[in-house]
Amino acid sequence: DVVMTQTPVSLSVSLGGQTSISCRSSQSLVHSDGNTYLYWYLQKPGQSPQLLIYKVSNRFSGVPDRFSGSGSGTDFTLKISRVEPEDLGVYYCYQGTHYPRTFGGGTKLELK
Amino acid sequence: EVQLVESGGGLVQPGRSLKLSCAASGFTFSNYYMAWVRQAPKKGLEWVATISTSGSRTYYPDSVKGRFTISRDNAKSSLYLQMNSLKSEDTATYYCARHLLSYYFDYWGQGVMVTVSS
Repeated sequence: DVVMTQTPVSLSVSLGGQTSISCRSSQSLVHSDGNTYLYWYLQKPGQSPQLLIYKVSNRFSGVPDRFSGSGSGTDFTLKISRVEPEDLGVYYCYQGTHYPRTFGGGTKLELK
Repeated sequence: EVQLVESGGGLVQPGRSLKLSCAASGFTFSNYYMAWVRQAPKKGLEWVATISTSGSRTYYPDSVKGRFTISRDNAKSSLYLQMNSLKSEDTATYYCARHLLSYYFDYWGQGVMVTVSS
């Protein structure tokens, strides 16, 4: 199984500040079709997960440009700039290249 | 608006069975792969099952293979998860999700809680 390792486990950030989350996979996430199926989700307190970024760097509908994704192969990063209160929660990376589909352990974003 | 509404959760004893349902609306259900994802209390997310548009193909992780069965009724725009031989480690909130081309989940339901305990 592909293990998705997220760091850090928790983050403390000031409103208006910038931060980043790292996600590393135990195998390359490049699919045989050439795509890299790496995604980022945010789960706000008491809510279901919501899609932020698809295929490494594409923002899902309605996601503000404060969120950006990058990376390749096995190393990926989510950057959040100008942090707002609505950004708080747990962030998960997820891979859709290999079965079984797997998620990272999560990174909790809190206010400093 | 895409809506996914789960039902059927509750308290069940170890070794017993439970069937979850998910009612979909706001999109052409038969055109999409669907999936179940679970989250144990205070834990992360775990993919549980995926089913193809026609229902002819299903996918499971080893943790539930042979015990859980995903199915669908396209005429009713409904998704199901039959869970047999339940264990305490199956205790979780179960989310119904649209599994776009089986690569990623773009819409999620609000989840339904399943507690396996004697």
